[in-house]
Amino acid sequence: DSGVTQTPKHLITATGQRVTLRCSPRSGDLSVYWYQQSLDQGLQFLIQYYNGEERAKGNILERFSAQQFPDLHSELNLSSLELGDSALYFCASSGQGGNSPLHFGNGTRLTVT
Amino acid sequence: GQQLNQSPQSMFIQEGEDVSMNCTSSSIFNTWLWYKQDPGEGPVLLIALYKAGELTSNGRLTAQFGITRKDSFLNISASIPSDVGIYFCAGPSSGAGSYQLTFGKGTKLSVIP
Repeated sequence: DSGVTQTPKHLITATGQRVTLRCSPRSGDLSVYWYQQSLDQGLQFLIQYYNGEERAKGNILERFSAQQFPDLHSELNLSSLELGDSALYFCASSGQGGNSPLHFGNGTRLTVT
Repeated sequence: GQQLNQSPQSMFIQEGEDVSMNCTSSSIFNTWLWYKQDPGEGPVLLIALYKAGELTSNGRLTAQFGITRKDSFLNISASIPSDVGIYFCAGPSSGAGSYQLTFGKGTKLSVIP
């Protein structure tokens, strides 16, 4: 158990809809990262938050947004969903050290129909 | 952007055999990480390497940080059925204050009992 909790485990929704994925980092970790894993693209970095503030952005679409709350949990919002957004979405957290490795949750499997 | 090339893409081995896989990059990395992903779960950190030439073991797993800092190797000795999964190498992308990781596309390992 990595200590990173993601909900829900599975999500099925229709095109055009909006969903919210939730992540609770490991106790004490201030950084939260979101990754998308699809069959053809592998693990792609989306966005990072550190202690409530956006720290880095990767290949995140404008239809997607995230935030980190004062209790350090994070939410990833996906809107105007398309079939191609179907993927596994992982949250990871890390400690404060510059070389602290990422610890991943078990992901949310999103299926857009 | 930075890319990591993993090989082989997949391998089928007999239980008890040793396994070797590698990861190369066109640019220098200061840290190499090896993760394993089981079906339906998030990647789990196996070994972290922080210094060129470093050789680190974790049970039957041994990983090395290449001298050129552009490659890394993971070896698994005496494979067992639970070694089945996808093995990813990863390295931190450039960017001050961020620890976003670039992942290889993975090596899928199948162990035949």
